[in-house]
Amino acid sequence: AQTVTQSQPEMSVQEAETVTLSCTYDTSESDYYLFWYKQPPSRQMILVIRQEAYKQQNATENRFSVNFQKAAKSFSLKISDSQLGDAAMYFCAYRRAQGGSEKLVFGKGTKLTVNP
Amino acid sequence: DTGVSQDPRHKITKRGQNVTFRCDPISEHNRLYWYRQTLGQGPEFLTYFQNEAQLEKSRLLSDRFSAERPKGSFSTLEIQRTEQGDSAMYLCASRTGQALNSPLHFGNGTRLTVT
Repeated sequence: AQTVTQSQPEMSVQEAETVTLSCTYDTSESDYYLFWYKQPPSRQMILVIRQEAYKQQNATENRFSVNFQKAAKSFSLKISDSQLGDAAMYFCAYRRAQGGSEKLVFGKGTKLTVNP
Repeated sequence: DTGVSQDPRHKITKRGQNVTFRCDPISEHNRLYWYRQTLGQGPEFLTYFQNEAQLEKSRLLSDRFSAERPKGSFSTLEIQRTEQGDSAMYLCASRTGQALNSPLHFGNGTRLTVT
């Protein structure tokens, strides 16, 4: 079974600084998708960034980028120029690409605090 | 795009009672998912619909849980004979099937408290 591990329960960063959130996963599949979701307090979960496993190029979305290391099964999220609105729970998630289960497997999350 | 809508936002019930939650997905999304999230944890998959067909159920979904999506639009999740361990946030999500990598769009969730 696929598993997703986020080893940092909490992280903090100073406003305008850069922070990296870690995620590792375990799978025997070669084709899959990886996602980072953000869940602000009492608000709905929203997609931050996604990566297709067949793509070697790391995904970027404005201030958010990933470091995808397929061999190491690592998928870290880098947030540059951190803003107060980035404070939230961040979840790493995995989904296989073809056939079988449609489920998205989530890690336990990392709580990010942004200090002014 | 009005987003995924869930009702009610909060539900308090006594142990042993039945509860039903509703989810209205984004209108053009044919895939609908239910997840459960407890405090300090990531969401756990419960079940998945493609149109009106329930194609996947987690082993977490005991026989007290049932979900339907009768016309391939809104969905309901019913919990019978609730237990305190059922207290959690129940999240609904939907996505389009047009792209393999399309992301899930989540609703605000229904928070269930069983007393």
